[in-house]
Amino acid sequence: DVQVVESGGGLVQPGGSLRLSCAASGFSFSNYAMSWVRQAPGEGLEWVSTISGSGSSTFYADSVKGRFTLSKDNSKKTLYLQMNSLRAEDTALYYCAKERDGSYGHWGQGTLVTVSS
Amino acid sequence: DIQMTQSPSTLSASVGDTVTITCRASQSISTWLAWYQQKPGKAPELLIYKASNLESGVPSRFSGSGSGTEFALTISSLQPDDFATYYCQQYNSYSKTFGLGTKLEIK
Repeated sequence: DVQVVESGGGLVQPGGSLRLSCAASGFSFSNYAMSWVRQAPGEGLEWVSTISGSGSSTFYADSVKGRFTLSKDNSKKTLYLQMNSLRAEDTALYYCAKERDGSYGHWGQGTLVTVSS
Repeated sequence: DIQMTQSPSTLSASVGDTVTITCRASQSISTWLAWYQQKPGKAPELLIYKASNLESGVPSRFSGSGSGTEFALTISSLQPDDFATYYCQQYNSYSKTFGLGTKLEIK
């Protein structure tokens, strides 16, 4: 079965950094684009970033461009989101999602990031 | 960026009703549109992809239609399990915008 499991969330002060991980199993990781989608408390879904299957192409929402870096280690079947210069508005549940044709057929349960002093 | 306008934001209905949620794109996205269902405390689940294709395992009472800029999700014969929040998402561009969501409530 396809499974993606996020980790690395927590409480961080404004301006701080955090690295999220997403461990994948049950599919050929290097063949699929992967994304992070976040959801602020009580709010809707916001696309954050996408990386191609090979890892050679990355795309970011304007709200995180220049602060977040997405990467993947295909040998470890793991996706990483390095988040720097964190702001209060980055507080959210961060979901890792596997793409099918651009839509998201599989999601993890999310990891919570709280940016607060 | 492509904007997605979803309506209504809240919808009240009864078990057995048929309801329709609409989504409008700010520019043509062909049929690159998905619909998701999200229940409280859970991750979203894919219902429909490429505007009208039913995801495996999703009940046939869910259907999607549309192309270009106008799309709809129809749920026939509402079941108690269907009361949730629904989101559309465009993936015509690398920036995959979501609609703001429609909360489907029991009347």
